[in-house]
Amino acid sequence: NAGVTQTPKFQVLKTGQSMTLQCAQDMNHEYMSWYRQDPGMGLRLIHYSVGAGITDQGEVPNGYNVSRSTTEDFPLRLLSAAPSQTSVYFCASHTAGHQETQYFGPGTRLLVL
Amino acid sequence: GEDVEQSLFLSVREGDSSVINCTYTDSSSTYLYWYKQEPGAGLQLLTYIFSNMDMKQDQRLTVLLNKKDKHLSLRIADTQTGDSAIYFCAGISGGYNKLIFGAGTRLAVHP
Repeated sequence: NAGVTQTPKFQVLKTGQSMTLQCAQDMNHEYMSWYRQDPGMGLRLIHYSVGAGITDQGEVPNGYNVSRSTTEDFPLRLLSAAPSQTSVYFCASHTAGHQETQYFGPGTRLLVL
Repeated sequence: GEDVEQSLFLSVREGDSSVINCTYTDSSSTYLYWYKQEPGAGLQLLTYIFSNMDMKQDQRLTVLLNKKDKHLSLRIADTQTGDSAIYFCAGISGGYNKLIFGAGTRLAVHP
């Protein structure tokens, strides 16, 4: 298994540009989540999904959209990038009934100028 | 909702024990977790403890849970340079898969 994969690893955007961060998992996990990591603040939940076609907001959803058309993929879209969205983004997944183990992807570093 | 706090930095000598502390607010958190993040990498689940346990030991790692004080600690015995990383404490808040993380404790191991 490849586990949780994320692309790209690094990205530089200009203010106002849009982009999609990709996340995929091959473990048939129902639950997938997006977090952002900022210095001194730990990880904060952006959006999550409990299954294909079902998404919900986390702590910091503003400026981000998600969709879950398949079990495997959970893309995160930035509609109009802002400097405040400069961060490291992590995707995670786990299977129902096993919340004690969340598998994290390697992260995407995003810089918005 | 859950709020998790931990000290930001810890420095220990190689071979000594490290103790990383964490406090949380939501006593209904079913599990409490410790994650390790090495430089430039994602988070790796290190260990976890179920809320009805007081202690869990896993090789060099010992997790202690004081439910009365809502205090969680991670003890690393015989700390090695490879243990240098950021350690995150996390709990579950409300919804089934909403992990709430502390800010992370940076562990520096020196000779």
